[in-house]
Amino acid sequence: RKEVEQDPGPFNVPEGATVAFNCTYSNSASQSFFWYRQDCRKEPKLLMSVYSSGNEDGRFTAQLNRASQYISLLIRDSKLSDSATYLCVVRNDYKLSFGAGTTVTVRA
Amino acid sequence: DTAVSQTPKYLVTQMGNDKSIKCEQNLGHDTMYWYKQDSKKFLKIMFSYNNKELIINETVPNRFSPKSPDKAHLNLHINSLELGDSAVYFCASSQAIGRNTGELFFGEGSRLTVL
Repeated sequence: RKEVEQDPGPFNVPEGATVAFNCTYSNSASQSFFWYRQDCRKEPKLLMSVYSSGNEDGRFTAQLNRASQYISLLIRDSKLSDSATYLCVVRNDYKLSFGAGTTVTVRA
Repeated sequence: DTAVSQTPKYLVTQMGNDKSIKCEQNLGHDTMYWYKQDSKKFLKIMFSYNNKELIINETVPNRFSPKSPDKAHLNLHINSLELGDSAVYFCASSQAIGRNTGELFFGEGSRLTVL
């Protein structure tokens, strides 16, 4: 079983829509959780950390469910510029493990 | 001024050759990493160095040898290249290793194609 698993998508949504997707992780002792964003043929960049109580950053909301070992990302009022691959990242001690990513395409 | 820079950005070479990718960071970070992203876009850690000391060495063929001459540099040398080595190799850095490590700063990637 992979350490971090994501639905690869793609999620094709119209501008203004809300899109949400999850990621599951295998190690119940994982300490920290993040969402990264990767544009096509670019490097990954940190989008936001995920806190136990859930957190928002503008149009982005992240949730953590430790009991079921998943994290989620919700994007409200999608913009064309939100089109990217979203990588779920989990930290165990010194190691950050990346999911294979969920691709989101926002269309006009 | 690029924070994490790696060279070359593109590398096309024949099977069996030896090649190196260089990485430098000017962020003052203590920890540097090499990740491999294959055609399925899966980003997998290969190595991590903290202040020139190897701290993570995943199951990577010993044809791959990292070298960190100082904490701002982490180079990757690959011997006897194979077709399966074709991928994008990302260098990254972060602040001192610890329980809050979460933000990695990535270089732009080095796209290696083995023919």
